[in-house]
Amino acid sequence: GEDVEQSLFLSVREGDSSVINCTYTDSSSTYLYWYKQEPGAGLQLLTYIFSNMDMKQDQRLTVLLNKKDKHLSLRIADTQTGDSAIYFCAESPTATGKSTFGDGTTLTVKP
Amino acid sequence: NAGVMQNPRHLVRRRGQEARLRCSPMKGHSHVYWYRQLPEEGLKFMVYLQKENIIDESGMPKERFSAEFPKEGPSILRIQQVVRGDSAAYFCASSRSPEAYEQYFGPGTRLTVT
Repeated sequence: GEDVEQSLFLSVREGDSSVINCTYTDSSSTYLYWYKQEPGAGLQLLTYIFSNMDMKQDQRLTVLLNKKDKHLSLRIADTQTGDSAIYFCAESPTATGKSTFGDGTTLTVKP
Repeated sequence: NAGVMQNPRHLVRRRGQEARLRCSPMKGHSHVYWYRQLPEEGLKFMVYLQKENIIDESGMPKERFSAEFPKEGPSILRIQQVVRGDSAAYFCASSRSPEAYEQYFGPGTRLTVT
């Protein structure tokens, strides 16, 4: 079945860039997402990329997709303490709307 | 435009009791998805519903769990005879269509079984 894997923890200093990586196995993945979850809260959609794109930039966020290697990354520029949260990678094939999530990467930003 | 609403936010049940979780989708959204998040894990898909129909329940446990999305009112996730292993956060998401690339998530219901 589909599988999405992420590293569990990442720690950076305030002002540095953060790069969170994700790999997936489903070749039919069409939509790839990054979500942010703060403690005790629901998921907030940060950004998404379609599988026919290589890169997407949205303010401080840059998503890179290597479809051949099934590798997705999220880069956060100028990381702030407010960016501390769990970041989930997710994928969804066309039409079903059903998403498969990774276990999340806990980002800690140190002042 | 109100977002996806879930209630209750926290629910405590004793083993053997029933748990009912409610989800009101965003206005104009007729597709609802339920996910379960066990402690320190990612979200796992449970079921996808449209109004009055279950489209995909491949992630639902075979026993004790059921879901509905009636013509009027919220979607309900029902867990009968709860066990400790059912303790988790249950999230609902809604979208305008199955092809929509965005699902909007509710704040979740945190179920604790004692």
